Amino acid sequence: QSALTQPASVSGSPGQSITISCTGTNSDVGGYNYVSWYRQHPGKAPKLMIYEVSNRPSGVSNRFSGSKSDNTASLTISGLQAEDEADYYCSSHTSSSTLVFGGGTKLTVL
Amino acid sequence: EVQLLESGGGLVQPGGSLRLSCAASGFTFRSYAMSWVRQAPGKGLEWVSGIRGSGGSTYYADSVKGRFSISRDNSKSTLDLQMNSLRAEDTAVYYCAKDRLGFLVSFDYWGQGTLVTVSS
Repeated sequence: QSALTQPASVSGSPGQSITISCTGTNSDVGGYNYVSWYRQHPGKAPKLMIYEVSNRPSGVSNRFSGSKSDNTASLTISGLQAEDEADYYCSSHTSSSTLVFGGGTKLTVL
Repeated sequence: EVQLLESGGGLVQPGGSLRLSCAASGFTFRSYAMSWVRQAPGKGLEWVSGIRGSGGSTYYADSVKGRFSISRDNSKSTLDLQMNSLRAEDTAVYYCAKDRLGFLVSFDYWGQGTLVTVSS
């Protein structure tokens, strides 16, 4: 199972919006509404930010939103804040009853 | 409060074995699927293995199939990962993670991780 494709890095200034893409295939992203997004700060465990494409867990800011079109999912962060600087990973359930992560995107807040 | 606490990591020689454990608390353990996810130094996340709440079904990434075995004891709320024939590329921080709902959909709680180093 190949990893989902994410850009290696994105950046934005405080207050701006950024979008991170996550591209898979019909066997994962395109086949299920089971895309999740995680944020990971250095040395910390990942934190769930979005589940089932566009749902936010309790306690996650509404500045985070998710969407999907065909085989590509996207995470948008609006009103960028310094604390958003981290690595972001997407994941998807697959037709093989496994789970695949994206390669990760490093978000830099300028 | 949900807590996941991994243990069992350490230094092991190539070809050796190691058993990781994850002690869960704060939720009805038997009702949720669980997984192991690893992260090699400086690299991204990789799903390793998952097990349904009943323990009746187990799944593995191709990279560990035939070498690793996942199990759970619902009476003790523990999740284990038996790792055999370890290779240098298995060196990573290993996290246990709880499925929010369903199986291999999304992980709403993670442990702090335990480091496994495979080296001679």
